[in-house]
Amino acid sequence: DAGITQSPRHKVTETGTPVTLRCHQTENHRYMYWYRQDPGHGLRLIHYSYGVKDTDKGEVSDGYSVSRSKTEDFLLTLESATSSQTSVYFCAISEAAYRGGNTGELFFGEGSRLTVL
Amino acid sequence: AQSVTQPDIHITVSEGASLELRCNYSYGATPYLFWYVQSPGQGLQLLLKYFSGDTLVQGIKGFEAEFKRSQSSFNLRKPSVHWSDAAEYFCAVVGLPFSSNTGKLIFGQGTTLQVKP
Repeated sequence: DAGITQSPRHKVTETGTPVTLRCHQTENHRYMYWYRQDPGHGLRLIHYSYGVKDTDKGEVSDGYSVSRSKTEDFLLTLESATSSQTSVYFCAISEAAYRGGNTGELFFGEGSRLTVL
Repeated sequence: AQSVTQPDIHITVSEGASLELRCNYSYGATPYLFWYVQSPGQGLQLLLKYFSGDTLVQGIKGFEAEFKRSQSSFNLRKPSVHWSDAAEYFCAVVGLPFSSNTGKLIFGQGTTLQVKP
């Protein structure tokens, strides 16, 4: 199994409070991703990183920010949590392997369940 | 825009019966396609992938999938389902041309498989 650890695994918080989710990898992979999973929507990309300090937005980035100061850590921050951000958040990692590009073969963490009351 | 559709939200099959899960994609170029499986409370695990070449690809756990360009489909099959196959299955496509090098995946909505004894 890929060495991906998400923390916390479960969190309950109140509307308006800041929340940070952490993803830690031991694989030294270049690419890291944050997805959220909601019923009927599958997984949707929030933000991703293609290197230290290199990040970009996904399709549902509003209300979220990320940081990557080290290869192994990718942080997802909700500056002011809202009930619509109640979800299961998955971190994933990937590495360029095929013709030097990224094939999209992701390895996932076990998820962080966030409830915003 | 690229998209992935899994027409069946929920499928029930009897143990030992054959299985086919449907996946249709919208993509302008040659796609990179994936099937992932998610057991309850777990992250996603890669079942199989298609990049090029033989359009029938074999994966783990006895699964296979066939890429049909003319139908824009990548259906997942298994000849004989086991009770342990009960899970949620996601089809995905790399969301950008290969040259973009970021490997972002676009997921379908998922199909939940229930296996009857």
